[in-house]
Amino acid sequence: TQLLEQSPQFLSIQEGENLTVYCNSSSVFSSLQWYRQEPGEGPVLLVTVVTGGEVKKLKRLTFQFGDARKDSSLHITAAQPGDTGLYLCAGANPGGYQKVTFGTGTKLQVIP
Amino acid sequence: DAGVIQSPRHEVTEMGQEVTLRCKPISGHNSLFWYRQTMMRGLELLIYFNNNVPIDDSGMPEDRFSAKMPNASFSTLKIQPSEPRDSAVYFCASSFEVAGTGELFFGEGSRLTVL
Repeated sequence: TQLLEQSPQFLSIQEGENLTVYCNSSSVFSSLQWYRQEPGEGPVLLVTVVTGGEVKKLKRLTFQFGDARKDSSLHITAAQPGDTGLYLCAGANPGGYQKVTFGTGTKLQVIP
Repeated sequence: DAGVIQSPRHEVTEMGQEVTLRCKPISGHNSLFWYRQTMMRGLELLIYFNNNVPIDDSGMPEDRFSAKMPNASFSTLKIQPSEPRDSAVYFCASSFEVAGTGELFFGEGSRLTVL
């Protein structure tokens, strides 16, 4: 079973602060995705990274895929209350079929 | 365009009863996934289908759980008999790509409470 461990599990910060969420595994993934989930809804995709060492930016969010394609990080600059939610990383296993395994999740609260 | 549609949104039932959850994936998507989400275990993959064929059901907890996908536009997840520990939010998701980087589109989930 492929496990994706996220840290921290919970994060409560003030508006304007920066933060980094980590996603680690001992397995290699063909791609890694980050989702955000709000209460009462399903996860929504933020970004997909495919190449080892890849960095993608989405406004104030920066995503990085580790060189060995086993880990990833999400950095948020100047967090806003609208960033509040559950952040999930998800790895797609190499091979012919897309099996996507989700990480343990990081619950972020941004206080105004 | 309609997204992934799940029903029911909420179900409360008593232990021992049969529960059937339904999912209509996005038209044209060829992969369908059933996940279960709890506070303790997070988002767990139960089973996924590709072109209506079950590819991996290793996440199905036990024989009380079964899933079918009779055609490209419909899938069911059945629990019989249900137990209190089955209480969770069950998500269905669909995707277009067979391998690699396909985005998963999730439904709003079915919240199951077994008393």
